[in-house]
Parts: sequence; structure tokens; C-alpha cells
Amino acid sequence: AQSVTQLGSHVSVSEGALVLLRCNYSSSVPPYLFWYVQYPNQGLQLLLKYTSAATLVKGINGFEAEFKKSETSFHLTKPSAHMSDAAEYFCAVSAPNTGFQKLVFGTGTRLLVSP
Amino acid sequence: KAGVTQTPRYLIKTRGQQVTLSCSPISGHRSVSWYQQTPGQGLQFLFEYFSETQRNKGNFPGRFSGRQFSNSRSEMNVSTLELGDSALYLCASSFDASTTDTQYFGPGTRLTVL
Repeated sequence: AQSVTQLGSHVSVSEGALVLLRCNYSSSVPPYLFWYVQYPNQGLQLLLKYTSAATLVKGINGFEAEFKKSETSFHLTKPSAHMSDAAEYFCAVSAPNTGFQKLVFGTGTRLLVSP
Repeated sequence: KAGVTQTPRYLIKTRGQQVTLSCSPISGHRSVSWYQQTPGQGLQFLFEYFSETQRNKGNFPGRFSGRQFSNSRSEMNVSTLELGDSALYLCASSFDASTTDTQYFGPGTRLTVL
């Protein structure tokens, strides 16, 4: 079975500061990992995904994440926060080679950006 | 290319009623998944359809059902609504059923049960 844990339901940063959103996973098989962002009253938008290729994954809007097997982590970072980054972020895991898609999501982290 | 569309966007029902939600995937996508999002339980997988077949189902009671049509459009139905069914229901589509394939989400249908 797969699961993800997102540390911190809320993270506050100042505009221009580093963004770090934490995600740890648990999986009985090598996982596929995803970060999605959700803006108010909208669906989920994929930021980036790890599917066992390069461990450092670059996504949209300047975000990136690094897969660390030894730490079972897939933390999301952005060097400089922008006001438009304020949203809720979800880490998700799926099991490869199962023949079907099922994302298991973390509980989400709300990113607050202050001027 | 148009994104995933869901209708209606908002819905208000009373306990005991039933409801049908609709999802139109991105053109050419054959896999459709449904998720329920609530403040208490977060995002939970409901079911996935591929080529009109349900391939996977989450841990929800039988009151929750779905289907997929030959044009890949999907519907989900909830019968005998309960207050706890109030949620944002999200539909996601992907080109095929590969687990590496990106799932694209629609804006959701917000269901309120009174």
C-alpha cells in the first residue's frame, strides 16, 4: 500500500523567500510521485512528477522536487516565492505497473505568501 | 484543446435524494478517474474507468457508482444522499491507463447535501 505524509498544514513565507513544502512517502514498491497545486474554487494542476527517471524533477512555475529514496522524501522547493504561489499543494503517490491509475494524496499544505 | 469539463459546477440536494454528476474528458483521453475532496478526509479515490470498464474502485459504499460511455464521457451517481456526501467531486482524465500518464483534473462539482 502507498501513502504520503505532508508535514505542516500551513506554511508562511515572505515574497522572494525560499519555498519548502515537505512530503514523505511510504510504498511497498518503487513509487511514482506527484505534486499538484489547487487554487481556490479550481481543480488540481500538475506541478511535476517523478517516474523513476532523474531524481531531480523540474516542474512548472519554477518549482522543483528531489526524490530521495534513503529519506523516503519528495520535498517541493522554489527559490523565490511569488504572491501568485499562494495556494494549496498536494503530494501524491501511485504504484507503477499495477495496470491502473489511482493517486493517493497527502492532506495538503496551504502556502501563504506575504508581501 | 479543451480541458476536462464537469457539469454541473454546483449542486444542492437534500438527504435521501440521488444525484448524477457528469465529466467530459480531454479529447482523445480514454481513462477517467473520480475523486472526492472533503475538509475532513481530504482527497480520496472513488473509481477509475478505462474503455467503459471500471478498473479500480476505492473504499466507498455501494451508493456510489459510475459508468463510462463509448465516447469516454463518464458519470457518477450517488444514491440516498447523506449529509457526509457534501464534497467537491473531481474528475481526472488521462490518455491511457499507464500509471506514468498525467491525470488532468477538471474544476470539480461542489455538492451540498442539506
